[in-house]
Amino acid sequence: QKEVEQNSGPLSVPEGAIASLNCTYSDRGSQSFFWYRQYSGKSPELIMSIYSNGDQEDGRFTAQLNKASQYVSLLIRDSQPSDSATYLCAVLSGGSYIPTFGRGTSLIVHP
Amino acid sequence: EAQVTQNPRYLITVTGKKLTVTCSQNMNHEYMSWYRQDPGLGLRQIYYSMNVEVTDKGDVPEGYKVSRKEKRNFPLILESPSPNQTSLYFCASRGPNQPQHFGDGTRLSIL
Repeated sequence: QKEVEQNSGPLSVPEGAIASLNCTYSDRGSQSFFWYRQYSGKSPELIMSIYSNGDQEDGRFTAQLNKASQYVSLLIRDSQPSDSATYLCAVLSGGSYIPTFGRGTSLIVHP
Repeated sequence: EAQVTQNPRYLITVTGKKLTVTCSQNMNHEYMSWYRQDPGLGLRQIYYSMNVEVTDKGDVPEGYKVSRKEKRNFPLILESPSPNQTSLYFCASRGPNQPQHFGDGTRLSIL
């Protein structure tokens, strides 16, 4: 069974710091990787997609992928209290139709 | 506006009373899926569909049915709901090589 693992947290960081969120996956055939942000009671919102090894940057967010280590991470620079949410890692394997989600990491950014 | 629409958003019902949660997308996506989300367990796949008349079980299909008679619609059916199906449900859709787009969710309580 394909597995996606995340530390449940909570991860607590001060405002303005860098938050680092990590995700590992079991299927070496995985090809597409996504980070979603989810506020309590709301639907997941896509914030980053990454498909090849290396870094992908979008504003304050950077996704990092290392397929050899089966590891994907999300860095949030200059963290804001509004970034406080649960962050879900999703992995799509080659030949699969829908991604598998990790259980999410709760991030708390305190002023 | 591209969107996935779920109805109802909230429902309180009783054990054994058949219910249907509708899902519709306007993006002409091939792939649609249903997830349930419970505290500490993350998003778990219930059923998914690769195209019209093609569906398959996810990780937790027991007690649920789906149908895909039209490309845009993917209803979730609970023939005889039980209290352990009380949960937050999300419908999602995606096209090839695209991330999931989620509906706003349906909070279901079964007494």
